[in-house]
Amino acid sequence: GESVGLHLPTLSVQEGDNSIINCAYSNSASDYFIWYKQESGKGPQFIIDIRSNMDKRQGQRVTVLLNKTVKHLSLQIAATQPGDSAVYFCAGVTSGTYKYIFGTGTRLKVLA
Amino acid sequence: GAVVSQHPSWVICKSGTSVKIECRSLDFQATTMFWYRQFPKQSLMLMATSNEGSKATYEQGVEKDKFLINHASLTLSTLTVTSAHPEDSSFYICSARAGSRDQPQHFGDGTRLSIL
Repeated sequence: GESVGLHLPTLSVQEGDNSIINCAYSNSASDYFIWYKQESGKGPQFIIDIRSNMDKRQGQRVTVLLNKTVKHLSLQIAATQPGDSAVYFCAGVTSGTYKYIFGTGTRLKVLA
Repeated sequence: GAVVSQHPSWVICKSGTSVKIECRSLDFQATTMFWYRQFPKQSLMLMATSNEGSKATYEQGVEKDKFLINHASLTLSTLTVTSAHPEDSSFYICSARAGSRDQPQHFGDGTRLSIL
């Protein structure tokens, strides 16, 4: 079946360093991917998305990279700040269903 | 923009009662809304998809008579957990999408439901 997984459950990063959160997906038909940030007790907040016809997309302090060959995407956060501490989810979407398949999440801890 | 409001944010009730959760898109019209359930330290699991004016589509294993979904307008969807039991305790999150299916979903802040 479909799955979207994350390599690491927890990532600790020093404040000011760059963070890289990885995500693997299994369904080669997935053609749209989204990264969400979820703070404790809140709903997921949209960060950035990327379509399968792209390899890279940049936002404010964030970059998403997509490698369709190995079915892998990553979220890079530049100059990580304490406010970036949260759980990050990737979601893959298949154009046929448009349902989101969420990964298990990575908790990002920013160390002062 | 793209604000989704969910109410209530937290509810505690006795076993056997029914609980209604509202999901509103505040600044856009949502043709489609989604309901998810999230257990502690786990990911979001899609329960059902609702389109305005039509019946919701439930995911496999989700009891439609247990989780009643109504999407009566382009800005409001409701989830009613009927005859709730302790195993229904969870974090319920809605999302809304405007327009075409390749647009991102925007999520509410969730409702923490505790059944005693």
